[in-house]
Amino acid sequence: GNSVTQMEGPVTLSEEAFLTINCTYTATGYPSLFWYVQYPGEGLQLLLKATKADDKGSNKGFEATYRKETTSFHLEKGSVQVSDSAVYFCALSDPDGGATNKLIFGTGTLLAVQP
Amino acid sequence: KAGVTQTPRYLIKTRGQQVTLSCSPISGHRSVSWYQQTPGQGLQFLFEYFSETQRNKGNFPGRFSGRQFSNSRSEMNVSTLELGDSALYLCASSLDGVWNSPLHFGNGTRLTVT
Repeated sequence: GNSVTQMEGPVTLSEEAFLTINCTYTATGYPSLFWYVQYPGEGLQLLLKATKADDKGSNKGFEATYRKETTSFHLEKGSVQVSDSAVYFCALSDPDGGATNKLIFGTGTLLAVQP
Repeated sequence: KAGVTQTPRYLIKTRGQQVTLSCSPISGHRSVSWYQQTPGQGLQFLFEYFSETQRNKGNFPGRFSGRQFSNSRSEMNVSTLELGDSALYLCASSLDGVWNSPLHFGNGTRLTVT
């Protein structure tokens, strides 16, 4: 079945450090891939998405490239800020799931950025 | 534009009771989904509704049910509550319910079962 695997956290970085959060997926079809972010006490917010192989999603300095050959969608940011501290979720949506709008999530990675 | 609104934010119930959670999607959005978030199981899909019809259901017991009204507002119900039902319940909406449309989440309802 479809699944998403994320690197375990927590990830602790100093401000202005480079961030990578690894995400790999297993899917039967050609999924769309997403990164969502959850701040304490809140729901999830869409960070970025990519709908086909080699697409790069980007937003707020974060980037991720859809790599079909390695089934990966790693999240990167060149210089993190304290305000980036949150839990990051990688997710996929598979068209083979039928006429439905359903996401399969990874376990989430907690990022803590220290000043 | 108002976001997805979930009420109430917090609920405390005892085992055996039932509970109803409410979700108002973004205006104009026709698809509403529900997810359960727990530390042990992470985010798990409960069900999705589109134009008042349930299109998909996750692997949860029949105690979990939902519905969608003609104005796209949705409710989910959990009957005969168990301790393991304690979780954050998240509602999400999308404009057209297409399989890869981004979901817009509410802030959730935190349910505690004692």
